[in-house]
Amino acid sequence: DAGITQSPRHKVTETGTPVTLRCHQTENHRYMYWYRQDPGHGLRLIHYSYGVKDTDKGEVSDGYSVSRSKTEDFLLTLESATSSQTSVYFCATLPRAGTGNTIYFGEGSWLTVV
Amino acid sequence: GESVGLHLPTLSVQEGDNSIINCAYSNSASDYFIWYKQESGKGPQFIIDIRSNMDKRQGQRVTVLLNKTVKHLSLQIAATQPGDSAVYFCAEIDNNAGNMLTFGGGTRLMVKP
Repeated sequence: DAGITQSPRHKVTETGTPVTLRCHQTENHRYMYWYRQDPGHGLRLIHYSYGVKDTDKGEVSDGYSVSRSKTEDFLLTLESATSSQTSVYFCATLPRAGTGNTIYFGEGSWLTVV
Repeated sequence: GESVGLHLPTLSVQEGDNSIINCAYSNSASDYFIWYKQESGKGPQFIIDIRSNMDKRQGQRVTVLLNKTVKHLSLQIAATQPGDSAVYFCAEIDNNAGNMLTFGGGTRLMVKP
């Protein structure tokens, strides 16, 4: 358990509004990830971070931005939410490179855009 | 782009039988392959991983096999139990690509009592 906390856990928002999801970790892990998961599908990478202020795009980054101003927080922002962004969002962390078995996931944030 | 995929979307087995879940991957540069279990309403939970320089790794009731020649990964669950019912994902991680963790589409395992 990497002490990952996602907030909010559930949110309903209107189309066109900005939304920010927060991932907070207490274990000083270097790498952090944001995924989205849609019904019947696997997890798709949105953005990831390999250090403070170091981020990169994943496979479904359009419409999303991220920021990592400190090690423990990785923020995912939907600048103008659309219905296609209704999904479950998962944050994950990895302490360092070269390992596979230390990737931890948060419990998810359920976002509904109406 | 590179991707990880699965052959079977749903697998139904009898309690006590062995289960085999398969996965095909395409990124030959991946360093680790990982199996996750996800129960409804929860985040993925690590089951077992294997380095790219290994062929087999065993855990408690689970075995992962890696065939790099055909880029195939499998998860074997011995004596499947009702608590094993979940969706299983394979994933790969490339240490040379910012440690990106890429997931396959998932297989639902249903265990009949």
